[in-house]
Parts: sequence; C-alpha cells; structure tokens
Amino acid sequence: NAGVMQNPRHLVRRRGQEARLRCSPMKGHSHVYWYRQLPEEGLKFMVYLQKENIIDESGMPKERFSAEFPKEGPSILRIQQVVRGDSAAYFCASTPAWGGYNEQFFGPGTRLTVL
Amino acid sequence: EDKVVQSPLSLVVHEGDTVTLNCSYEVTNFRSLLWYKQEKKAPTFLFMLTSSGIEKKSGRLSSILDKKELFSILNITATQTGDSAVYLCAVLLGDSNYQLIWGAGTKLIIKP
Repeated sequence: NAGVMQNPRHLVRRRGQEARLRCSPMKGHSHVYWYRQLPEEGLKFMVYLQKENIIDESGMPKERFSAEFPKEGPSILRIQQVVRGDSAAYFCASTPAWGGYNEQFFGPGTRLTVL
Repeated sequence: EDKVVQSPLSLVVHEGDTVTLNCSYEVTNFRSLLWYKQEKKAPTFLFMLTSSGIEKKSGRLSSILDKKELFSILNITATQTGDSAVYLCAVLLGDSNYQLIWGAGTKLIIKP
C-alpha cells in the first residue's frame, strides 16, 4: 500500500514564476492537509481539503496561494508569482473519511527554492 | 496565541546514552499531544497522549503527559544511530479533529 506521494520532491523557481505542488493521498484516504515548514520552524497548517471541497483554508496566505482537490487526480497547491519568502518545505498529509481524530500520514514533502 | 515549545533545539549524544526531549505547550483548547519522528522525509507518528500520567511505550521509546504543568517528555533509552532525527511535538486542538499546533522540533544526533 503506497503511502502519501508528493511530487516533485525538489522544485526550483525564479521570482515571479508559478509553483505547482502535487499530493496523492494514501489509498482509501479522501482528506488532505497541506503544511509549510520554514527552516528551523515547526510545521504550519495551511489548508484542509476533501474531494472537491475546501474545508478550512485559515492558514493560507490571502494572495497568490490556492489549493484544490479534484474528484479525480491529486491535490494541487499552487503558488503564483513566487517570492523568496516562499522557499520552504511543503508537506501534505492525508486521513480517511472517518469521524473523530485520525492519524495524519505525511508525504515526503516538496522542497521549494525560489531564486 | 497557541504555541508549542520544544527543548533542547538540538542534542548530540553517544550511542547507548539515554535522552529526554521536552515539549511544553500553551493552548486555549487542548485535546491531545502527539510526537512524530522526522528523518529526511515524512514525519512518522510515534505517540498520541491524551490523559495525564499514563506512559506510552514502544520499544526503547516512551512518553508521558502532564496536563497540570502543560508538558510532555519523550524518552529514548539505549540510543542507536538510527534514532538520529528531528523529533516533533504537536498539540491537537479540542475544537477540531485536525488542527495541529507544532513545535519547532529537537534535532537529535547519535554518534557511534
């Protein structure tokens, strides 16, 4: 059973370009969470999605960032017009669609470097 | 503001030593505390603690929560080089099933 998959693992962008980060949840999981981890800091919650639905985007910057989780295909975190401050590791986690707290299984992350 | 603080930030010990990692928290609505191990990839789940004073144990790792003093410790006995990692502590907030507030982690290096 494959775990949470993220790609690319490393992404280099120049300022002003767009970054697209992909996350495929574990098989049978329909809830996805995105986190950002800056160097020497803890993970920061960004957004929680279910299929075709954004449940909580309270941690997302208001501008340039968007996320989706379509009916088919991976979840996408999109960062438009990247700036140097966007350089970070972006982790995705997934849980099944059951009630109560479920252990979040993490992907290996995408390390974004903005030149 | 909800916060989770881990100490020390980094720790270097020799194989065979015992280490204790600390996690303190200040949150408005505590539900549970979780420990994760992060090597050069995905954080992997270690423990979830909800009740005070009940030790959770897995092999050489153990953890306990003190809800009165608002902290948890993670102990690793007879450390091995494979224990080298960043250990993350997170608090699950009571009003959600998913909101985790994370500490910055303790970077543990085990020297052979």
